[in-house]
Amino acid sequence: DVKVTQSSRYLVKRTGEKVFLECVQDMDHENMFWYRQDPGLGLRLIYFSYDVKMKEKGDIPEGYSVSREKKERFSLILESASTNQTSMYLCASSFRRGQYSYEQYFGPGTRLTVT
Amino acid sequence: KQEVTQIPAALSVPEGENLVLNCSFTDSAIYNLQWFRQDPGKGLTSLLLIQSSQREQTSGRLNASLDKSSGRSTLYIAASQPGDSATYLCAVLQGAQKLVFGQGTRLTINP
Repeated sequence: DVKVTQSSRYLVKRTGEKVFLECVQDMDHENMFWYRQDPGLGLRLIYFSYDVKMKEKGDIPEGYSVSREKKERFSLILESASTNQTSMYLCASSFRRGQYSYEQYFGPGTRLTVT
Repeated sequence: KQEVTQIPAALSVPEGENLVLNCSFTDSAIYNLQWFRQDPGKGLTSLLLIQSSQREQTSGRLNASLDKSSGRSTLYIAASQPGDSATYLCAVLQGAQKLVFGQGTRLTINP
């Protein structure tokens, strides 16, 4: 079974802190993703990575950065946390199922509260 | 811009019923469509993936169909159980491996 793990289920941080969210997958998947999920807004893509040290901006990258130093690990960094970054953060990885088809698997999520 | 819509937003049915969840998308140029389940406060669990060349996929009591030309997919759940209560999301894959999600259907199965 594919396993995507996230470092914390719940996290409480103060405004202005630097926050690291870690994600690890154990299936040698090439692609990894960070989303946030908010009521009424659904899932929104923050960043994704298709290879080590490679990253692409998603739909809402402002206020975030990412790091992928090893294939299995993808980190999301909040440089200076703000209250509007309070959200559920979901990590995912994907692998090729067909010529252009990829299946995504998600981690359990991190509920981040910024006070 | 691709838009994915799921109607209804919420559905409540008695246990044992067969039911259908709907998903529609505006751009038929997709690589695949994926159905997920999400329990409250948890991550997404992949249920079924239909590649663009396929018409349907089955897993246990679940059957998903895809009609690319009309921009529609359905998830059929047979003999529903209280444990099926969750939010069901569909998502389509377009270029750059980006999934576009619907808002989900919140399903409640009443014992």
